[in-house]
Amino acid sequence: QQPVQSPQAVILREGEDAVINCSSSKALYSVHWYRQKHGEAPVFLMILLKGGEQKGHEKISASFNEKKQQSSLYLTASQLSYSGTYFCGTVDRGSTLGRLYFGRGTQLTVWP
Amino acid sequence: NAGVMQNPRHLVRRRGQEARLRCSPMKGHSHVYWYRQLPEEGLKFMVYLQKENIIDESGMPKERFSAEFPKEGPSILRIQQVVRGDSAAYFCASSNLGTTDTQYFGPGTRLTVL
Repeated sequence: QQPVQSPQAVILREGEDAVINCSSSKALYSVHWYRQKHGEAPVFLMILLKGGEQKGHEKISASFNEKKQQSSLYLTASQLSYSGTYFCGTVDRGSTLGRLYFGRGTQLTVWP
Repeated sequence: NAGVMQNPRHLVRRRGQEARLRCSPMKGHSHVYWYRQLPEEGLKFMVYLQKENIIDESGMPKERFSAEFPKEGPSILRIQQVVRGDSAAYFCASSNLGTTDTQYFGPGTRLTVL
């Protein structure tokens, strides 16, 4: 089922931090995070496969709380290039089909 | 290593015409997924294919839409007798192992139905 993302939109100044949340009503096998800039393809950021797993990519990191069926994406010391729409995609536990259910996205705007 | 390729990037059709969208997966990938994105919305799953097989088409409308991934050549999403509501961006993604492996997206085809 489609996960719920919050907040819907975030406006930051360069250097500020942000947290984007993704929660599901179903047990999850994995969570996938993407960033999409206007008119472009979604770009893969990271995948979390295990409950409690945390990953980092430069100043962007994420965690996966399997029990709570949710994941959070952390953007630290944001840069102008971080602007875009962030989507989480989830794969339900027990799924053998691999389809991703995407949230509606969180629009992040970073101002100088 | 070329990424996922899609063509055309932009496609304009009149109501009632057919639209054919092509997707070439990343080299070595045999799993292809098609998603549709309406303006200001998220990505909606349509269909999942492996070479010569449709694995999951539960997200695809029953009528007018079909998809294939032949042994040779790109995957094709076909929309017959297009209507204005079909206007959207259509993305394909590919993965190596399927199931929960990372899906890499192509640049998309933006379909406009006049």
